[in-house]
Amino acid sequence: EAQVTQNPRYLITVTGKKLTVTCSQNMNHEYMSWYRQDPGLGLRQIYYSMNVEVTDKGDVPEGYKVSRKEKRNFPLILESPSPNQTSLYFCASCPVGDPQETQYFGPGTRLLVL
Amino acid sequence: RKEVEQDPGPFNVPEGATVAFNCTYSNSASQSFFWYRQDCRKEPKLLMSVYSSGNEDGRFTAQLNRASQYISLLIRDSKLSDSATYLCVVNYNTDKLIFGTGTRLQVFP
Repeated sequence: EAQVTQNPRYLITVTGKKLTVTCSQNMNHEYMSWYRQDPGLGLRQIYYSMNVEVTDKGDVPEGYKVSRKEKRNFPLILESPSPNQTSLYFCASCPVGDPQETQYFGPGTRLLVL
Repeated sequence: RKEVEQDPGPFNVPEGATVAFNCTYSNSASQSFFWYRQDCRKEPKLLMSVYSSGNEDGRFTAQLNRASQYISLLIRDSKLSDSATYLCVVNYNTDKLIFGTGTRLQVFP
């Protein structure tokens, strides 16, 4: 089954404790992206990647890191989480170059930073 | 249960077909409802709001059923350019906007 998976789905942590949210897709998509969803603000893009070893900042990259060592994986790293990073995070993927293709979303990761 | 649930699809339909998506929400206090469209590698864009009496915008019709807590989007005469992910969005109060994870539509020639 074609899908985007995220882990963990729920996470409670404390300020300053490094964490990683994994994202994996099994569709050989070149493009992957991370979004955060906050009340009243909708979905905002954090980082995206056009292919392996190619990453770029989105609208709200501060406080986050990403890496794209393999095509299927695009982990989101919070080196020193803060309470303002409490949010719902979505990973997404789609192929590059096919205008008729649509975007796949992961199920979401709900993060609470105390 | 998720706050907003959508069938992820994909819905694969030929040009000219009519296709309908449903979305269910869990909080009966929800106040307003929207459909967004997201294209690959782009930010979501508001497609249309959903009103209690139902509303239409060209080939798109949105409906709300408060009793059953679902909203729907109907697309008539599908075009290739309608291929996208459609996001159901529910607003509980003035500062809480909840997005579903989207329903993918693929229109083929």
